[in-house]
Amino acid sequence: TQLLEQSPQFLSIQEGENLTVYCNSSSVFSSLQWYRQEPGEGPVLLVTVVTGGEVKKLKRLTFQFGDARKDSSLHITAAQPGDTGLYLCAGANYGQNFVFGPGTRLSVLP
Amino acid sequence: DAGITQSPRYKITETGRQVTLMCHQTWSHSYMFWYRQDLGHGLRLIYYSAAADITDKGEVPDGYVVSRSKTENFPLTLESATRSQTSVYFCASSEEGAKQPQHFGDGTRLSIL
Repeated sequence: TQLLEQSPQFLSIQEGENLTVYCNSSSVFSSLQWYRQEPGEGPVLLVTVVTGGEVKKLKRLTFQFGDARKDSSLHITAAQPGDTGLYLCAGANYGQNFVFGPGTRLSVLP
Repeated sequence: DAGITQSPRYKITETGRQVTLMCHQTWSHSYMFWYRQDLGHGLRLIYYSAAADITDKGEVPDGYVVSRSKTENFPLTLESATRSQTSVYFCASSEEGAKQPQHFGDGTRLSIL
């Protein structure tokens, strides 16, 4: 069974601070996705990374896929209250579905 | 509007009862998925479907039944609900399984008393 771990589980920071969230596995994935979920809603896709070592930027968010395609990180620069939410990583196996990590719950205080 | 719709949004029922959660998508995506979300476990795959009349078990299929007679609908049935099935259920769709991103509905919060 493929498993994804995320750290930290919870993170509370002040507006303007930087943070990094990690997603780790012992398994190799064909691609990895990051989602953000807000209360009462379904997860919304932020990015997909496919190539080992790939770095993608989405405004203040930087995503990196590990060289071995087993891990990924999400870095947020100058966090804002609007970044508050549950961040989920999901690894795509070589079959037809995804494995999700347990999530990192981020709270950005004004 | 195009999208994925789940109904009901909230449901309370009793142990032993049968309950069906509905999921409808308007994109004509081939793949559809059912997940449950519980604290500490993230999203766990219950069942998925690659096309109409094709369904496969996910990580936690016991106690659930699915069907997919039409591409756009993917209902999830709890045949005899148990308290351990209290959860938030999410339906998702994608064009091509794990090769494309998933689009999620807003979830059904199910409480079993």
